[in-house]
Amino acid sequence: GQQLNQSPQSMFIQEGEDVSMNCTSSSIFNTWLWYKQDPGEGPVLLIALYKAGELTSNGRLTAQFGITRKDSFLNISASIPSDVGIYFCAGQVEYGNKLVFGAGTILRVKS
Amino acid sequence: DAGITQSPRHKVTETGTPVTLRCHQTENHRYMYWYRQDPGHGLRLIHYSYGVKDTDKGEVSDGYSVSRSKTEDFLLTLESATSSQTSVYFCAITQQRQETQYFGPGTRLLVL
Repeated sequence: GQQLNQSPQSMFIQEGEDVSMNCTSSSIFNTWLWYKQDPGEGPVLLIALYKAGELTSNGRLTAQFGITRKDSFLNISASIPSDVGIYFCAGQVEYGNKLVFGAGTILRVKS
Repeated sequence: DAGITQSPRHKVTETGTPVTLRCHQTENHRYMYWYRQDPGHGLRLIHYSYGVKDTDKGEVSDGYSVSRSKTEDFLLTLESATSSQTSVYFCAITQQRQETQYFGPGTRLLVL
């Protein structure tokens, strides 16, 4: 079946540093999504990418849909303590079809 | 806020008992999904629905059944709960005009 490899598995960074995480797949996806999950809550959508090569920003977050359609990255600039949580990438083949999730990146920030 | 609620939010049950989790949405979305989340696995799809009485299996459907008798409710049933089904269960929906899934707050299930 389709699988997503998300890395790194966890990160422990200083407040103010930039963060980068990525997902790769052996399969092509038409949509890439990035979610953040806080403890005890459901994942919340951060950024959605619909076209190969697309670069999209949401505040301090920037994500790109890889040209090959098999990868995506998420950057967080100038991290702050509230950025802690688990970040998930997800790929979707077509509208209404199921998502395939990466295992998540745990982000911890030192204040 | 995509208008999704899940009930119960927490449940403790015993091995062998049936359990039903409910996902309720208020915005007439066509697609609804059930996922389970376990450490190291991210979220894995159990079942999904693409309309009333239309459902299909996901990657981890064994031991689970679903029903959707009306648009707003998608029920997940553990026919005979096992300890391996201890997990956090999330419902998700797809907005009608968009392709992204939005998640409910989750149900934490403990099977003793």
